[in-house]
Amino acid sequence: QKEVEQNSGPLSVPEGAIASLNCTYSDRVSQSFFWYRQYSGKSPELIMSIYSNGDKEDGRFTAQLNKASQYVSLLIRDSQPSDSATYLCAVIRGNAGKSTFGDGTTLTVKP
Amino acid sequence: NAGVTQTPKFRILKIGQSMTLQCTQDMNHNYMYWYRQDPGMGLKLIYYSVGAGITDKGEVPNGYNVSRSTTEDFPLRLELAAPSQTSVYFCASSRGNEKLFFGSGTQLSVL
Repeated sequence: QKEVEQNSGPLSVPEGAIASLNCTYSDRVSQSFFWYRQYSGKSPELIMSIYSNGDKEDGRFTAQLNKASQYVSLLIRDSQPSDSATYLCAVIRGNAGKSTFGDGTTLTVKP
Repeated sequence: NAGVTQTPKFRILKIGQSMTLQCTQDMNHNYMYWYRQDPGMGLKLIYYSVGAGITDKGEVPNGYNVSRSTTEDFPLRLELAAPSQTSVYFCASSRGNEKLFFGSGTQLSVL
């Protein structure tokens, strides 16, 4: 079982729709959770971080964390073509400071 | 602020050659990392460091070596390059259990 698993893509949504990206992790001692966006040929950049159970909202982005179910998700509201990218889920176990990444989900937003 | 600077951006090696990927950061971060990213995959941790003089293996360390003599610099050495090391390499830094700051990446081909 992979430490971090993301729903297999690619994911395609029409402009203005809600895009839902999901991630599960295997280690219950995981403490810190991140969503990075990576455009083709570029380095990853942070979209959201979340550390506590519940929802965290930042503009059109909402991260949701459920530690009991070992599940973290990212919702993108009013999706725009500029949101088309690969989204990487990353998890840090305990206080080790090492991020483990999922394989990513590629999102395409069609005008 | 330059952030995390990686050089070179592109490199082609012949099988058996060696090279060093350079990485420097100006944010005074204690934690530094080397990841590789194969096509369509997430990032795999090669080596990491929690401070000057301290390094440790990640998930895929074979064929690589690192050193950390200063807080700023974290070079990655490839000895006896093999086609399996063809990948995109990212250096990153952080303050620990927080977000990663990435360099722009190095596209390496071993032929």
